[in-house]
Amino acid sequence: QKEVEQDPGPLSVPEGAIVSLNCTYSNSAFQYFMWYRQYSRKGPELLMYTYSSGNKEDGRFTAQVDKSSKYISLFIRDSQPSDSATYLCATGTASKLTFGTGTRLQVTL
Amino acid sequence: GAVVSQHPSWVICKSGTSVKIECRSLDFQATTMFWYRQFPKQSLMLMATSNEGSKATYEQGVEKDKFLINHASLTLSTLTVTSAHPEDSSFYICSARDRVLSTDTQYFGPGTRLTVL
Repeated sequence: QKEVEQDPGPLSVPEGAIVSLNCTYSNSAFQYFMWYRQYSRKGPELLMYTYSSGNKEDGRFTAQVDKSSKYISLFIRDSQPSDSATYLCATGTASKLTFGTGTRLQVTL
Repeated sequence: GAVVSQHPSWVICKSGTSVKIECRSLDFQATTMFWYRQFPKQSLMLMATSNEGSKATYEQGVEKDKFLINHASLTLSTLTVTSAHPEDSSFYICSARDRVLSTDTQYFGPGTRLTVL
């Protein structure tokens, strides 16, 4: 079993839709939860990070962590074509992050 | 803020040659830098953790003699792929952790695409 599981997609949604991206993890010692956005042939860009269960909102993005079920989510409201990218969840400890495989999102006009 | 650069952005080399990739934190000091490798449509795989002034810590299965890492200053780490072979062709990405902020957030560079012929 992988330490972090993420549906690779691709996920295609129309512009303006609400997008839900999800990951599960297996190690209860993981303390840090992050979402990165990666455009093709580019390095990952940090979108959200949190250290506790609950919701964290930043503009159109909401990160949600449920440590009891080891489930992390990213919601994107009012999705735009510019949101088309691969979204990577990451979780881990202070010394090491483990990444999901990434979900490829396509927002269509 | 929190900008990380990598150089070169892409490189093509012949099999058997060595390639050096630089990772710089431009507007912050990074005591810890990380080197990752990413194959097409796969996730980032951590290769090694590099702390300024000390030897790098390599992940299991990563040859330390093949992937030489040097972290000589708080803003620069280098990865040298020695005697490169076609199977080393990949996207190499570094990340850095901000020393002052002391968070565990990693900021990534834009990546270096290595193609070994």
